[in-house]
Amino acid sequence: EVQLVQSRTEVRKSGDSLKISCKASGYSFTTHWIGWVRQMPDKGLEWMAVIYPGDSDTRYNPTFQGQVTISADRSTTTAYLQWNTLKTSDRAMYYCVRSSSVVLNYFDSWGQGTLVTVSS
Amino acid sequence: SYVLTQPPSVSVAPGETATIICEGDNIGSKSIHWYHQKAGQAPVLVISDDSDRPSGIPERFSGSNSGNTATLTIRRVETGDEADYFCQVWDTDTDHPVFGGGTKMTVL
Repeated sequence: EVQLVQSRTEVRKSGDSLKISCKASGYSFTTHWIGWVRQMPDKGLEWMAVIYPGDSDTRYNPTFQGQVTISADRSTTTAYLQWNTLKTSDRAMYYCVRSSSVVLNYFDSWGQGTLVTVSS
Repeated sequence: SYVLTQPPSVSVAPGETATIICEGDNIGSKSIHWYHQKAGQAPVLVISDDSDRPSGIPERFSGSNSGNTATLTIRRVETGDEADYFCQVWDTDTDHPVFGGGTKMTVL
């Protein structure tokens, strides 16, 4: 069974750094893209970035390019999303997602979400 | 970039058929995927590649895609189907996924 287990709630202040995680299991970590989707309060879904752990190829939504960094650790089958400087506007739920195959098309598995709260 | 448009809301009575649309320029030439998100939960894939149902999704869920409109159809709607529904395509021009704004389905 595919599982994406995320760190839960993170509480930070504006200006802080943060790295959230997504532990993947139940499949070959290196043959599926893994990424992150943001959902701001009472809003829709926004794709942020994906990484292919097999060769560390990364793709970013231009909206988030330079704002966050995606990475993956093959040895622990864990993906990460990192901010160097958080803003209050980064307050949202962040979902870890897996692509259905080596081809990027849709996301067949989702983590339970990491709620990031940023105070001023 | 590519834009997907969904109606904000739809209401349906239990036992009836719900139709949720997703509009985009020549969307019929792309593969459309649908997710539902129940209150307080993560999204779940319910239809992939226009009309394929993942394991565990009831046969009541079906999809179609042609011209400028993709459709998710839910037959014999149950109260447990109440959720936000999102469509998604892969924009080959920008090489990244695009989500529709979502449709909140209320089961009356």
